[in-house]
Amino acid sequence: QVTLKESGPALVKPTQTLTLTCTFSGFSLSTTGMGVSWIRQPPGKALEWLARIDWDDYKLYNTSLKTRLTISKDTSKNQVVFTMTNMDPADTATYYCARITGTYYYYMDVWGKGTTVTVSS
Amino acid sequence: SSVLTQPPSVSVAPGKTARITCGGDNIGSNSVHWYQQRPGQAPVLVLYYDSDRPSGIPERFSGSNSGDTATLTISRVEAGDEADYYCQVWSSASHHVVFGGGTKLTVL
Repeated sequence: QVTLKESGPALVKPTQTLTLTCTFSGFSLSTTGMGVSWIRQPPGKALEWLARIDWDDYKLYNTSLKTRLTISKDTSKNQVVFTMTNMDPADTATYYCARITGTYYYYMDVWGKGTTVTVSS
Repeated sequence: SSVLTQPPSVSVAPGKTARITCGGDNIGSNSVHWYQQRPGQAPVLVLYYDSDRPSGIPERFSGSNSGDTATLTISRVEAGDEADYYCQVWSSASHHVVFGGGTKLTVL
């Protein structure tokens, strides 16, 4: 059974850096074709894709946020770490990690429950 | 990058058929995936590669994709189908996951 769980602070101050960890089980990020994505959803708004890391350490970022984002993996711990710098109240959202899979036409087949992050002084 | 357009809301009576569209330039040349998000919950994949269902998703959920429109069809709608539905593609041009704006399905 594949599961993912997000963890990190519920509250961050403006200009601070957000660090979130996705701990997963049921698959390995050293397996060909596997990947993990981060997605966020501001209250009452649509989903927004943020970043992706693949089994071979290939990384992709949302172009509009790229300068603020970093994604990395620790295969031995089955974890993916996501950071977003210079946080702003507009970054208040629920942040999800999800396994990304597929052949060329990628999709997220299993999602974590999400973690809510509020940006406020 | 791709822009995916969904109607903000769709309403349907129980037992009827709901159709939720996802519009995009030549979207038929891509593969579309659909997610269901019930209130307060994480999204759940309901269709991938236009019309394939993950295990556990009822046959009532089906999909099609041609030209500039992809469609998620839910037959014999139940109260439990009330949720937000999002379409998604992978943009090979921008190397982005792209989501539609979401459609709120209301079961009358």
